[in-house]
Amino acid sequence: GQNIDQPTEMTATEGAIVQINCTYQTSGFNGLFWYQQHAGEAPTFLSYNVLDGLEEKGRFSSFLSRSKGYSYLLLKELQMKDSASYLCAVTAPPGGGNKLTFGTGTQLKVEL
Amino acid sequence: DTEVTQTPKHLVMGMTNKKSLKCEQHMGHRAMYWYKQKAKKPPELMFVYSYEKLSINESVPSRFSPECPNSSLLNLHLHALQPEDSALYLCASSQRLAGGREQYFGPGTRLTVT
Repeated sequence: GQNIDQPTEMTATEGAIVQINCTYQTSGFNGLFWYQQHAGEAPTFLSYNVLDGLEEKGRFSSFLSRSKGYSYLLLKELQMKDSASYLCAVTAPPGGGNKLTFGTGTQLKVEL
Repeated sequence: DTEVTQTPKHLVMGMTNKKSLKCEQHMGHRAMYWYKQKAKKPPELMFVYSYEKLSINESVPSRFSPECPNSSLLNLHLHALQPEDSALYLCASSQRLAGGREQYFGPGTRLTVT
């Protein structure tokens, strides 16, 4: 089975840096995605990691350690519009490489 | 065009009704997905189509019937639903089913079963 854990809620200040952690236990691993979802809207793709290390994309970075079953999403220079739910999702067998299993999501609130 | 469209945006149906949700993409993607999302929960995979063939059915009750008439369209036919089926239904697509392909999500259909 798949088990993917994230903190339920986080609060941070505008302009600050926040790290959202994700731990997973899956039978097999084909990659890890991070998605952002604003209330009432569709999830949008943020990042993808399949090898260990850090992937940087503007204000967002994502890290993966396969041996530890651990990933984090780092958001820098926080803006109010970053208030959203952040979903960690793992692709793993069986069922195809792109079958996403989502974690519970982390609701991030950015305050002034 | 990186858009996945879904119609209708909102749907209210009785337990004896038959309705359909529609999803469309013109990105040339050959994998399409249906997800169900309850409030404050993550999306849960229901069905996956690859090259217009059903690839994954996550043990979804038969009152949900997917259809992929061509590579751009994905339907979800609904019949005899229960109030607990009320949720946001999301469609997504990706280039292929193989791993590492970003999935593009549509805005969803918010379904209420009365």
